[in-house]
Amino acid sequence: DAGVIQSPRHEVTEMGQEVTLRCKPISGHDYLFWYRQTMMRGLELLIYFNNNVPIDDSGMPEDRFSAKMPNASFSTLKIQPSEPRDSAVYFCASSLGGRNRPDTQYFGPGTRLTVL
Amino acid sequence: GEDVEQSLFLSVREGDSSVINCTYTDSSSTYLYWYKQEPGAGLQLLTYIFSNMDMKQDQRLTVLLNKKDKHLSLRIADTQTGDSAIYFCAVPDSGNTPLVFGKGTRLSVIA
Repeated sequence: DAGVIQSPRHEVTEMGQEVTLRCKPISGHDYLFWYRQTMMRGLELLIYFNNNVPIDDSGMPEDRFSAKMPNASFSTLKIQPSEPRDSAVYFCASSLGGRNRPDTQYFGPGTRLTVL
Repeated sequence: GEDVEQSLFLSVREGDSSVINCTYTDSSSTYLYWYKQEPGAGLQLLTYIFSNMDMKQDQRLTVLLNKKDKHLSLRIADTQTGDSAIYFCAVPDSGNTPLVFGKGTRLSVIA
């Protein structure tokens, strides 16, 4: 398996523009997570899905952020309109889940977003 | 919800041992994890420990768990320059999913 795939790897955009980040999880994984990493706030969980259904989006900072998972092999994180404070590295991760076994999350390489 | 705390920076000399500490608040966690992040990359699972264990050793890595004090530590023996990275402690937020990550400890190894 190629692991978790994210695109683009780098995105530079201007304030007010729409940004769409994409993620392909590992095949067979039931959980998909979106994180944001900054120096100031560390790693923040934005939203996670179980079997394509959003379970907890309490980490999504504002209504400008939205995430979808139309099928088991694809998810998007959209920011509209983008602002300079959204500049960060965005990670997608996937896992098998489960209560009685170690639940390893596999992270993608991240998308470095810069909003000018 | 779960809260995970760890120190932000650690600097050691090559060949010395490194100890990275973590405290957490929820005692019901079944597995506790250490992840490693190298520059420009995503996080990767380094090791984990089951909550009914006190210690787990894996080559140069030793994980110690003190459930009473809710304290987790990662010891790296004979630290090498290639160990320079950010190390994250992660604990499940009630149950097993999702994980709550600490802010990460940046380990710098001086040659």
